[in-house]
This record gives sequence, structure tokens and C-alpha cells, in this order.
Amino acid sequence: DAGVIQSPRHEVTEMGQEVTLRCKPISGHDYLFWYRQTMMRGLELLIYFNNNVPIDDSGMPEDRFSAKMPNASFSTLKIQPSEPRDSAVYFCASSLGSAGVSEQYFGPGTRLTVT
Amino acid sequence: AQKVTQAQTEISVVEKEDVTLDCVYETRDTTYYLFWYKQPPSGELVFLIRRNSFDEQNEISGRYSWNFQKSTSSFNFTITASQVVDSAVYFCALFDSWGKLQFGAGTQVVVTP
Repeated sequence: DAGVIQSPRHEVTEMGQEVTLRCKPISGHDYLFWYRQTMMRGLELLIYFNNNVPIDDSGMPEDRFSAKMPNASFSTLKIQPSEPRDSAVYFCASSLGSAGVSEQYFGPGTRLTVT
Repeated sequence: AQKVTQAQTEISVVEKEDVTLDCVYETRDTTYYLFWYKQPPSGELVFLIRRNSFDEQNEISGRYSWNFQKSTSSFNFTITASQVVDSAVYFCALFDSWGKLQFGAGTQVVVTP
């Protein structure tokens, strides 16, 4: 049974470039989460979706970040334009039901480096 | 405000020693959920346990055990007879009334042979 799939696993880009991170949640899961992990701030929730609808994006750092979920099996997190401070590991996670009901399953993460 | 505190930044032990990771949380909710996740050197986050606020029964799973005490707002995690494969960062997390999973800063466990 496939887990959460993220691509790419590593991304190196120059400041000012657009970056798109992709996520395929576990089939049947109705919640999808995007997290960012840095040494300074730890694990932060950026945004989460329920049944493809964004529920809370209060963690999105600024307008340069956007996320979409066009269907139940695909989501993207886009950064435009990217900045060096965006360098982090970005995780996608999915769950069946909210976190209070079911655990979140995490993808392997995308390590983003912005030079 | 909701908050999860893992005061121990790093714990180093020799194989076969027991290690206990502390987790203290703050919440005004009467219903809440607590979690532990493991992040090995490979980077992925692995779910270990979920506990709801109404179930204070301690749990044991193999060499892992958890001690949940509402009176002290703590949800501590013990690894018995540690092994090198237990080397990882362990995160405690609290599910809050806003529907978000809030993570502690994590505790790095280093197990040496």
C-alpha cells in the first residue's frame, strides 16, 4: 500500500525562481496537510485541506506561498518568487478524518535549498 | 494558548539503557489528543502513538511505553533497553481545538553501541 508520495525529494533553485512541490496523499484520505521544518522554527503547519477545500492557511508565511488541491489525489505547494529563507524541508501528510480521530501519515519530504 | 514543551534537546545513552523523553503540554480544551512521532536520520516522520484526554491508561508496545498524567499535563515516553536503531528525533504533539497538530521542538536521542 503506497504511502504519501512527494516530489521532488530534493530541489535546489536560485532566489527569485518559482518552485512547485507536489504531493499525492494516501488513497481515501480526506485531509491533507503541508508542513515546513526548519532548525529555527521546528515543524510548522502551513495549510490544510479537507475534501480538497482549504480549511486553514493561517500558517502560510506570506503571499509568495500558495497551495492548491485540484482533486483528492494531488496537491501542490508553490513558492513564487523563492527566497533563501524558504530553504527547509517541506512535508506533506494525509489522514482519514481529522488529527483527533486518526493519525497523520507523512511523506518523505522535499528538501528545498534556495541559493 | 496551546503549547507543547520538550525540554530535553538531546539525550545520549549507551545501548541497552532505558531513556525517558519528557513532554509537557498546555491546553484549555477538555478534549484533546496527544501524539508521539519518530523522525529517524532518513527524515520521514513515523507515527508512534495517539492518546485522547479521557484515556489516562498507560500503554506499552514492545520496548516503548507511554505515561500520560493529566494532573501534571505530561505525556512521557520511555524506550526500554535502547538500541542503535532508536537513534532519532522524537516529537510530541498536541491536537488542538482549531484542528491543528502542534509539535514540540523535538528531542534528539543518540544511542551508542
